[in-house]
Amino acid sequence: GEDVEQSLFLSVREGDSSVINCTYTDSSSTYLYWYKQEPGAGLQLLTYIFSNMDMKQDQRLTVLLNKKDKHLSLRIADTQTGDSAIYFCAESPAGGGGNKLTFGTGTQLKVEL
Amino acid sequence: ETGVTQTPRHLVMGMTNKKSLKCEQHLGHNAMYWYKQSAKKPLELMFVYNFKEQTENNSVPSRFSPECPNSSHLFLHLHTLQPEDSALYLCASSHIPGLESSYEQYFGPGTRLTVT
Repeated sequence: GEDVEQSLFLSVREGDSSVINCTYTDSSSTYLYWYKQEPGAGLQLLTYIFSNMDMKQDQRLTVLLNKKDKHLSLRIADTQTGDSAIYFCAESPAGGGGNKLTFGTGTQLKVEL
Repeated sequence: ETGVTQTPRHLVMGMTNKKSLKCEQHLGHNAMYWYKQSAKKPLELMFVYNFKEQTENNSVPSRFSPECPNSSHLFLHLHTLQPEDSALYLCASSHIPGLESSYEQYFGPGTRLTVT
């Protein structure tokens, strides 16, 4: 079945850039998402990218997609303490199965002063 | 109310109890989902409803019974649960894939369930 993998932890200093990586196995993945989860809260959609794109930028967030290597990354510029959270990548296949998201285990981002 | 709401936010129940989780979306979506989030495990999709019809049951035990009376409301009825069912239960909604240009899922805050 589909598999999505992420490293478990990342620690950065405030003001630095954070890069969270994700690899997936389903070559038919059409949409790839990044979600943020703060303690005690649900998942907040940050951004998503279609598989025919290789980059998407949204304010401090930059998503890079290497479809050949099935590698997705999320770069957060000027990381702030409010960015401390768990970040999940997720993928969905094309067509009618498009709403069956497969999530990674999440990367816990810790921002230190 | 905006977005996706869930009640209750916290629930403690015994193994012989019957309880229900409620989810409501105010986004005009036609698909709704239940997920289970356990510690140190990936988010698990449990059920998918498209236009009130269940289209996915991801091998979920029958002690979890979903109900979707309309496109805005989703319930998860619980009975004779086990301690290992303790988890955060998340509801989400989206447009139907293929019918809209985007169908990203929006999540509620979750119900933290503890089975004693």
